[in-house]
Amino acid sequence: QVQLQESGPGLVKPSGTLSLTCAVSGGSITSNNWWSWVRQPPGKGLEWIGEMYHSGSTNYNPSLKSRVTISVEKSRNQFSLKLSSVTAADTAVYYCARDLRGWLVLSLSAFDIWGQGTMVTVSS
Amino acid sequence: QSALTQPASVSGSPGQSITISCTGTSSDVGNYNLVSWYQQHPGKAPKLMIYEVSQRPSGVSNRFSGSKSGNTASLTISGLQAEDEADYYCCSYAASSTSIFGGGTKLTVL
Repeated sequence: QVQLQESGPGLVKPSGTLSLTCAVSGGSITSNNWWSWVRQPPGKGLEWIGEMYHSGSTNYNPSLKSRVTISVEKSRNQFSLKLSSVTAADTAVYYCARDLRGWLVLSLSAFDIWGQGTMVTVSS
Repeated sequence: QSALTQPASVSGSPGQSITISCTGTSSDVGNYNLVSWYQQHPGKAPKLMIYEVSQRPSGVSNRFSGSKSGNTASLTISGLQAEDEADYYCCSYAASSTSIFGGGTKLTVL
């Protein structure tokens, strides 16, 4: 079955760029699904960051849009997150997740597969 | 885009039923039948429990059920068990092709 695995630096300096990768195994990044990033600050709730479709189409959380880039690497069957100008408020566990929703289909919007999450701390 | 509103905590005794509410607006919960619910145990990734308001994924107990009325969705857990103790989050598809989560509800099984 499809599995997701996040990877990337666990420590990022303030004002720097957070970069994470989500590797997809047991399935293809080019399946008819959207792929999302979700984060969770310590002791707090979940926040949707944004999503991408393998065509390159993206949608972002308006509150983060100016700092976020999500992109696909089809050859490596993975997708990536870049968050620029980070501050301590960006410290969180970052999850990648598969959305059941397909291209141009307004149904089945739900995250059925999640990675284990990776903790990223923003600190000097 | 503000988080959907959930009670911070609910509790119940084993065997009882509890309901967690999730209130949004006409731009999200009220406009789409695309509300999902997630269970999260400490230190673990969220797990999908309900999608499209009331649909259960394969493998999820039928003790979990969902509903919606207007701008408010609800998750009901019947026959509470100790293993149900966890945090629960609602999520809705929203305008401009975004998703929005609730603030989360801590369920305590007494």
